[in-house]
Amino acid sequence: DGGITQSPKYLFRKEGQNVTLSCEQNLNHDAMYWYRQDPGQGLRLIYYSQIVNDFQKGDIAEGYSVSREKKESFPLTVTSAQKNPTAFYLCASSIHTGRGNQPQHFGDGTRLSIL
Amino acid sequence: EDQVTQSPEALRLQEGESSSLNCSYTVSGLRGLFWYRQDPGKGPEFLFTLYSAGEEKEKERLKATLTKKESFLHITAPKPEDSATYLCAAPSGSARQLTFGSGTQLTVLP
Repeated sequence: DGGITQSPKYLFRKEGQNVTLSCEQNLNHDAMYWYRQDPGQGLRLIYYSQIVNDFQKGDIAEGYSVSREKKESFPLTVTSAQKNPTAFYLCASSIHTGRGNQPQHFGDGTRLSIL
Repeated sequence: EDQVTQSPEALRLQEGESSSLNCSYTVSGLRGLFWYRQDPGKGPEFLFTLYSAGEEKEKERLKATLTKKESFLHITAPKPEDSATYLCAAPSGSARQLTFGSGTQLTVLP
């Protein structure tokens, strides 16, 4: 079945440590996205990528980094510069039509906590 | 600034008690309005896309409608399994991004 796979489901970070969240999709979608979700808040965009080897900052990119070396993969690194990393992280993908009006489809998230 | 606002924040219904959730938006040049369902600990599940005022979409007990300023998600005779958080979102900025509302947490009691 086609879909988006995020791993791990739960992740713990120590102070000063960088951690990487994995996102893989087999939907052949061009665009991929990372969101952060905090309790009682909507999803906030961290980074997005429309094509391989290209990505743009979203609203809250500080303390995060991404890469897009393959169409199906869009890993997110939470760096030690991100002072409040505890959150639920969601990866999404969509067909890139150029009009931006296609729905995004989501993985089941990674919950990151601080030790 | 593009904004998407959902109300109410939380809604408790008895099984079979129909109601509506609201999503109002201030996105210029609307290029679609999306509804999602999110269960605890899961990612949002896509439900509907609405593209123009007057459009309606249905799926089982859910019907989504769109006007020029807001969208409604009508739930007819809900069941406990309809309990979830319902999110709406609209493309904004360069249209590569979605602006999400903060969601309505629906609880349907048996």
